Amino acid sequence: AQKITQTQPGMFVQEKEAVTLDCTYDTSDQSYGLFWYKQPSSGEMIFLIYQGSYDEQNATEGRYSLNFQKARKSANLVISASQLGDSAMYFCAMSSGSSNTGKLIFGQGTTLQVKP
Amino acid sequence: DADVTQTPRNRITKTGKRIMLECSQTKGHDRMYWYRQDPGLGLRLIYYSFDVKDINKGEISDGYSVSRQAQAKFSLSLESAIPNQTALYFCATSLGQGPWDGYTFGSGTRLTVV
Repeated sequence: AQKITQTQPGMFVQEKEAVTLDCTYDTSDQSYGLFWYKQPSSGEMIFLIYQGSYDEQNATEGRYSLNFQKARKSANLVISASQLGDSAMYFCAMSSGSSNTGKLIFGQGTTLQVKP
Repeated sequence: DADVTQTPRNRITKTGKRIMLECSQTKGHDRMYWYRQDPGLGLRLIYYSFDVKDINKGEISDGYSVSRQAQAKFSLSLESAIPNQTALYFCATSLGQGPWDGYTFGSGTRLTVV
């Protein structure tokens, strides 16, 4: 069965510094996708970044990058130059390429607080 | 208008009452999903649907039912609400063409059962 684990319930980072949010996953699939979503205090879910299991390069989207280490089954989110607006809950999620259900499995989430 | 609209945004209901949460989408996606979010547990799948005739249970479907009235509409019902169903509920849609297809989420419904 697929599983996503986020071991950091809460994190603090100083404004303008970089921060890494951890995500490990477990799957027997060869084809899968990894996602990060941001949930600000208003509650909506905002897509940040995607990494496919066959992608050789780490995904980047502006200040967000995904540190994909396939052998270690980790997909950590790196936020560079943190801003106050980055304070939010962050979820790691995984899709399966074999089940064809399109379901996403989510981790428990990490709350990030950016200090001025 | 939002691509995925959930109504109501907030609801307080009493134990034992029946309540329906509604979701409509303009994305043209076939696949629709209902999740609930609880602190420390992340998002967990309740039900999902591939079309009006294809509805599937997720990992936590007990106490819930769904109806796919049309491609664009997917409703979640709590037949007899209980306090531990207090949560933030999300509807999401997806093209579902491959593992790269993520979700488009609604804004969520915050449900409190008292």
